[in-house]
Amino acid sequence: SQKIEQNSEALNIQEGKTATLTCNYTNYSPAYLQWYRQDPGRGPVFLLLIRENEKEKRKERLKVTFDTTLKQSLFHITASQPADSATYLCALDDPTGFQKLVFGTGTRLLVSP
Amino acid sequence: GAVVSQHPSWVICKSGTSVKIECRSLDFQATTMFWYRQFPKQSLMLMATSNEGSKATYEQGVEKDKFLINHASLTLSTLTVTSAHPEDSSFYICSARDLGGNEAFFGQGTRLTVV
Repeated sequence: SQKIEQNSEALNIQEGKTATLTCNYTNYSPAYLQWYRQDPGRGPVFLLLIRENEKEKRKERLKVTFDTTLKQSLFHITASQPADSATYLCALDDPTGFQKLVFGTGTRLLVSP
Repeated sequence: GAVVSQHPSWVICKSGTSVKIECRSLDFQATTMFWYRQFPKQSLMLMATSNEGSKATYEQGVEKDKFLINHASLTLSTLTVTSAHPEDSSFYICSARDLGGNEAFFGQGTRLTVV
């Protein structure tokens, strides 16, 4: 069956460091992969989309890589700030349904001052 | 980006009553909307796909008679939790995808507490 896995343990880092989050998937052949941020008690907010023919995508302090051979995406936040503390979710299109999006388990990031 | 508005943001109801949650796409038309449920410290679980003008498609294990979905217009989908019980207490979130893009836009979520 199809699976999207993220590290379920919280990631604690110090302000200014680079946070790296991992998303692994099995039994998918996605044309693209998305990353979202979710704050407690709020709906997710879209951050970045990376296509299968793109190795890397950047947006301000965010960088995403996509390795379709390893079936893995890495999400980096450079010069992290306490305001970056949130849960980060990766998502893929579910091939069984039109526009259906399936989410990974999410990784909680805590950035300490 | 596009805006999806969800209402109410929280609701407390008595066991056995029904609760309706609204999801609106404010600046785009959404023929398809999605309803998710999220328990504390867990990821979003897709409950159903709401289709404008036709029946919703429910995920396996989701009771369609308990979670009634109506998508009567291109900008509004509603989820009604019927005969709510304490185990239905959860965070419900709707989303829609603008046909022009790939990203999903989410409502603010509704915290349902059944007492």
